[in-house]
Amino acid sequence: DIQMTQSPSSLSASVGDRVTITCRASRGISNFLNWYQQKPGRAPSLLIYAASTLQSGVPSRFSGSGSGTDFTLTISSLQPEDFATYICQQSYSTLLTFGGGTRVEI
Amino acid sequence: LQLQGSGPGLVKPSETLSLTCNVSGGSIDSTSAYWGWFRQPPGKGLEWVGSVRYSGTAFHDPSLKSRATVSIDTSSNQFSLTLVSVTAADTAVYYCARQIQLQGSPTFYYMDVWATGTTVTVSS
Repeated sequence: DIQMTQSPSSLSASVGDRVTITCRASRGISNFLNWYQQKPGRAPSLLIYAASTLQSGVPSRFSGSGSGTDFTLTISSLQPEDFATYICQQSYSTLLTFGGGTRVEI
Repeated sequence: LQLQGSGPGLVKPSETLSLTCNVSGGSIDSTSAYWGWFRQPPGKGLEWVGSVRYSGTAFHDPSLKSRATVSIDTSSNQFSLTLVSVTAADTAVYYCARQIQLQGSPTFYYMDVWATGTTVTVSS
C-alpha cells in the first residue's frame, strides 16, 4: 500500500491567513494526487486533482503543488467557509489511499 | 450527475451488509469512469472499499479479505456493495462516488461526484 501522511493534523488560523498543508507519499506517485475538503456530516468535495488542477467552481484562493512524494495545498487567504478538514488521496495505485486529514479551525 | 446511496442503517454482526448507489443525470455505462465505494469509521479517515467499471470489472481493498463485492447494474443505472460477515469494525459512514478518468491519462482517476453518506452501524 502507498501510505499518505499529512501534516499538521490540525491547525488554528484566522480569516485572511495564508494556510499551507503538506502531504507526503510513502513512495513516488508522480502527480497522481488529489485534494478534498470535508465539512462535518458532509461528503468530501473535490478541490484539486492531478496535484495542481483546480476543480471547476473551486475558488482560486486554493492551489496545489508538488510531484513525486511531496505535495502542498495552499489557501492564500482563509475565508470563513474554509474551516473544514482537508484530505489528500493518491490515485497512482489501484489500491486508493487517503491521508489522515488536516483540520483547519478558527 | 447525482448519486444517492441507500441501505439499512443497522446490521447484526456476522450478517451481510448491502448498499446501493443510484446514478441520475448521467449514464453509468460511461467508458471514462469507475464507480466506487468508500467508508469513514467514526472519528477516522476515509478508506476505499472497492470500485467497478461499466463492464463489470471490479477491484476491492485486499484488507477486506474478499468480504466485499462491488457490482454494477447498467440497466438500472445503479451499482452496489455487498459486505459479508460484518463486525463492529465495519461500522462507518459509507459513501458512493464517481471516479472520473483524467483526460489524456488512461490510469488516473479521481472522485468528482459523491453521494451523501449512509450511516451503517453493526450491532446486535
